[in-house]
Parts: sequence; structure tokens; C-alpha cells
Amino acid sequence: DQQVKQNSPSLSVQEGRISILNCDYTNSMFDYFLWYKKYPAEGPTFLISISSIKDKNEDGRFTVFLNKSAKHLSLHIVPSQPGDSAVYFCAASARAQGAQKLVFGQGTRLTINP
Amino acid sequence: ETGVTQSPTHLIKTRGQQVTLRCSSQSGHNTVSWYQQALGQGPQFIFQYYREEENGRGNFPPRFSGLQFPNYSSELNVNALELDDSALYLCASSLVSGTDTQYFGPGTRLTVL
Repeated sequence: DQQVKQNSPSLSVQEGRISILNCDYTNSMFDYFLWYKKYPAEGPTFLISISSIKDKNEDGRFTVFLNKSAKHLSLHIVPSQPGDSAVYFCAASARAQGAQKLVFGQGTRLTINP
Repeated sequence: ETGVTQSPTHLIKTRGQQVTLRCSSQSGHNTVSWYQQALGQGPQFIFQYYREEENGRGNFPPRFSGLQFPNYSSELNVNALELDDSALYLCASSLVSGTDTQYFGPGTRLTVL
């Protein structure tokens, strides 16, 4: 049962353009959503998050949008830079048995072309 | 501020053996979570420790166990290793404050032969 899905395994974007990464979820109990970036041989690095009471959160070049009715969130990166090339994971937080459990999607590999 | 650290970086074991992985949480964080990341997949929640007690567990068998120490560092123990246990094991720390943001270490790559 894949509660968080990233349907695009890969995405290629020209440097300077906008990168849009998408994520869908099925569990309406999720109340906090996060995006992480992962380089090879490193752990995931936290990028940006959004609470379910908001529909947008912005931090520099990164903006996350949340559409609760569609159970969809997206990460916008603008302008895209070569250092943004990495695997991006979306994650959703669900309180289960008191635990702060993150449920991850499968990841999208973003490649920024010069 | 010290980030999350994990040891060892890589480990090779054979089926049936036992393994212990270690994690030091980020300074000031009191909660540690462990995740397993298989190749090509997102991390999967194993369990979480808060104040030295397990307070949540994912869909992993009892041969996966853990500890949290008074300094908030943690261990993941896996008994009777199976080939499918080969994965990247990630530790994440957080401060229980309602924001639910977890900060990850670099991981331990476990190979079971």
C-alpha cells in the first residue's frame, strides 16, 4: 500500500528554468509534508516543509504547494541550478502510536542540464 | 552544531549473523528514528525512540530491535540477517515540537551475503 507516490522516476530541466516535482498521497490523516534532497552516498537533506493548514510555503528558490482536496503537493525550484541535480523525496508525517513517522515516496531523480 | 552521525559507513555480513548499527543524534534532539532504504526505493520507517523507549514501529519483524541511551544516541540491532536486509540504514533525529522535521545522518550501507 503506497500511501505516498512520486509518479515520475526522473525529470530533466534546463539550467535557469523551473523544475516542478510532484507527489500524491492517499491518507487524509497526514498533516505535515516535507521534501528532502539526496545525493549519492549521503543521507537525505531537509529542504522545505508545509503544514496541512497552509497551501503554500516559500524558502528562497524553493516553494512547496499543497492541494488537500486533490491530495497533491508539488515542489517548485526556480531558477534551477546544476547543484540541484539529485534525487528528491517527498514525505508525509502521520502520528501513529505516538510516533512521528515519515512515509516517503519512491523519489524523483532531477537532472539540471547546463 | 553537530549533525547526525552514523557508524560504521559500510558493513558486510553473512546470512544468520547479527549486526549493530550506531547513531548519534543532532545536538539538542531527543528523538531518534530509524529507516531502511532499499535500492531504488524511498526510506521505510522501522521504529522511533523517545526518552529511551520505543514509541512507534513500522512493519518490521521483532528481529529488528533498538535502544536509545540517556545522551539520546541510539543503536539498531538486527538478528538472524537475511539477504533482503541488504540496504542503506538511515538514522534521523528530531525535537518533538510539533513540526515533525527529521534530520538524517549519512547512513550505513549493509550488505548481507
